[in-house]
Amino acid sequence: DVVMTQSPLSLPVTLGQPASISCRSTQSLVYSDGNTYLNWFQQRPGQSPRRLIYKVSNRDSGVPDRFSGSGSGTDFTLKISRVEAEDVGVYYCMQGTHWPWTFGQGTKVEIK
Amino acid sequence: EVQLVESGGGLVQPGGSLRLSCAASGFSFSGYWMSWVRQAPGKGLEWLANIKQDGSEKYYVDSVKGRFTISRDNAKNSLYLQMNSLRADDTAVYYCARGGIYGSGIGASYWGQGTLVTVSS
Repeated sequence: DVVMTQSPLSLPVTLGQPASISCRSTQSLVYSDGNTYLNWFQQRPGQSPRRLIYKVSNRDSGVPDRFSGSGSGTDFTLKISRVEAEDVGVYYCMQGTHWPWTFGQGTKVEIK
Repeated sequence: EVQLVESGGGLVQPGGSLRLSCAASGFSFSGYWMSWVRQAPGKGLEWLANIKQDGSEKYYVDSVKGRFTISRDNAKNSLYLQMNSLRADDTAVYYCARGGIYGSGIGASYWGQGTLVTVSS
């Protein structure tokens, strides 16, 4: 199975400051159709996961533009340009290129 | 408004069975791949199974293959997960999730609230 490794696992951030989460895969996530199925999910405390980003850099409807995704191959990043209080939660990267689809361990974002 | 409502969770003994249901509304259920994802208490997410629109294709993670069966009834707008030979490490919140139209690996854009399954004697 493809292993997804996130860093850091804990990320204390000051309100209004940027945050960055790294995600690396053990295999290339480029699919045979040319797409790279790397997605990012947010899980706020006590809530279900919510997809933020799909195919590396496409924001879901309603996701603030302070969230952005980038990367290629095996190395990906989620950035929050200015962290707000509502961004507290756990963030997961997830690959949908190789079955079984797999998630990273999660990165807990908290306010300092 | 898209809604996914899971039910059927509860306490079950090791070796027992349980059937989870997911009632879908607010979209054309028969037009989408559907999935089950679980989260053990305090742990991360595990993608369990996918099912194509007409049920002709099903995919399972190895940890549940041969024990769990995903199915759907498009006439009832419902998704199911039959779970047999349950073990303590199957204890988790089980989420129903809506995939895409083409089955591509974009994950799920809509999730239910989850139903808790506890396997314990």
